[in-house]
Formats: sequence, C-alpha cells, structure tokens
Amino acid sequence: DTEVTQTPKHLVMGMTNKKSLKCEQHMGHRAMYWYKQKAKKPPELMFVYSYEKLSINESVPSRFSPECPNSSLLNLHLHALQPEDSALYLCASSQESPPIRGLDGYTFGSGTRLTVV
Amino acid sequence: QQPVQSPQAVILREGEDAVINCSSSKALYSVHWYRQKHGEAPVFLMILLKGGEQKGHDKISASFNEKKQQSSLYLTASQLSYSGTYFCGTETGNQFYFGTGTSLTVIP
Repeated sequence: DTEVTQTPKHLVMGMTNKKSLKCEQHMGHRAMYWYKQKAKKPPELMFVYSYEKLSINESVPSRFSPECPNSSLLNLHLHALQPEDSALYLCASSQESPPIRGLDGYTFGSGTRLTVV
Repeated sequence: QQPVQSPQAVILREGEDAVINCSSSKALYSVHWYRQKHGEAPVFLMILLKGGEQKGHDKISASFNEKKQQSSLYLTASQLSYSGTYFCGTETGNQFYFGTGTSLTVIP
C-alpha cells in the first residue's frame, strides 16, 4: 500500500461547527504532515508529527487542532473556523523525519476540499 | 525563505523542451520536485541531495547546484501528460518549503 488516504474529500461547514479531517497511511512512514493549500498557491506547512509526537507547529491558530492517535493515523480537528480558512487541506507522510536523507520524498493524500460558510 | 521559481508559467507544444528554475536564499540540504495536476495531490518526482548531483526520471531530469543554492528541472520532448503545476521544495535543516510554483501547459 503506497497511498495516503484522506477523508472526507469534500466538507462544507458553518463557522460554529466542529468537524474533523482524517488521514491514514500504511507505508510505515514515521512522519506525517498537515498542509493547507489555497488556489494557485503552493502548499503551506501547518503541522509535523514525528514518531507520533508534534514536532513542528507553524504558528497555526488554535481553531485547528491536530492529533496523532497512532503511527498510521493523523486527524485535524476543526472548530470555529472562518471563511478564509476555506482551502484544500493536504495530508502527507515521509519515511523519515525532516531533513530527508533518503531517496523518497513526501507522499501526499488527495486532500479534503474545505468550504467554510 | 520560500524558494522562487521561474518562469511562473510556460506553454509548450508537444515535443518541445522546457527548463524550470528554483532559487533559494538559504543554504540547502536537498531539493525536491513535485508535479500537481488541477484538483489532485502533489506527486513526488525526485529528490536531489547535497552533492551537486543530477538525476533523471524518464524524460524528466534535474540538477542541483548547492553553491548557488539553485536547482533546475529539465523536461524533454514534452507530452500532454506533463501539464500541471511544478513545485520545487527545499530543505534547510529540518525546515521544508515549497517554491512559488510554475504552471506548465502542453498543447497538441
């Protein structure tokens, strides 16, 4: 299995809702990531988990709360989002934690298209 | 800290060649290249580690000049399937940043 699976693919939520994005990989990768991507922009790093521990938080607002229940799963809990948080949320994984010294890069999931209304 | 790519956009006819450049203001440990088609996830193409190497991947190859903190992606004899947005990604220590992106369109 060489995939990163994200659910749901699309999500519409109100500003008072609580929802969660899920990500799963079964490649034995030791690091997992959340990225946010706006249209026609590069992905922006939000969080990095290395060996199930949060290692990098790129000053993300507290309305985004990551969770890594085990080495294969990564969640992103959403609460009280704003319309400007609407974006494509990408999960990724890598065999090792950064800096990557091997020959493989990051494997991305197909993303969750989030719309906040 | 975000690497800058050039050109921002390029249109090619099938069979033509293209070069995409990636330049960083910081010393680099490695450079990644990804392609993202509209509405899809970025797909890893290749990684170049410190050492000034050049790598190939079918008709797509890349070079990495660590002294100049630059990398270039070479696409030869382009195919329609090459269309998409290409991102370089640079690693400095344990920080990774995607470049500004280059939109590449291949037309028949």
